[in-house]
Amino acid sequence: LAKTTQPISMDSYEGQEVNITCSHNNIATNDYITWYQQFPSQGPRFIIQGYKTKVTNEVASLFIPADRKSSTLSLPRVSLSDTAVYYCPLLEGNTGKLIFGQGTTLQVKP
Amino acid sequence: GAVVSQHPSWVICKSGTSVKIECRSLDFQATTMFWYRQFPKQSLMLMATSNEGSKATYEQGVEKDKFLINHASLTLSTLTVTSAHPEDSSFYICSARGGSGGSAFGSGTRLTVV
Repeated sequence: LAKTTQPISMDSYEGQEVNITCSHNNIATNDYITWYQQFPSQGPRFIIQGYKTKVTNEVASLFIPADRKSSTLSLPRVSLSDTAVYYCPLLEGNTGKLIFGQGTTLQVKP
Repeated sequence: GAVVSQHPSWVICKSGTSVKIECRSLDFQATTMFWYRQFPKQSLMLMATSNEGSKATYEQGVEKDKFLINHASLTLSTLTVTSAHPEDSSFYICSARGGSGGSAFGSGTRLTVV
């Protein structure tokens, strides 16, 4: 199964836009790109999912280039409560498995 | 949206005993459920895939006789950690996949073996 690579950590300030990148060079044709947020001692919470191009929902945008070897999660105007670990596991289309790589710890400062 | 309930949220047990963790899909039928384990400061590691009415499929390196999974209905999967030892102490998380393909995660169970 393809693995993903993300920056280990990022810092930001309240009100800024944050972009977190994820590399998945060996993504399979049937794989979807998903992003999750996790707070300490809680299960991951779904943020967004996409296959190609751009997807936007009420909390984030997901940008996926044509080759699908990377993706970028964009969080507009972050707040202190967005401090968390963000993961970009690939969703295997056939089995529904989510394979997690190391996430990105986002620290939002006042 | 899809809601998954996991119980208990934390448990402390003595070494050598068994612990059962429940994962329920509350508002949808989960044809497939997944169990993950997460050690401190690490990512989630997939342990097994649980399919309703059939045997679970375990990931490489996961002992099926130690981590018993039962998925007897479309809304409930259980993970039993048998003969638990301190090295089994971890955060166990389930996720449920409904027929539509969406997935939701439980809130996790903190297992401490003393």
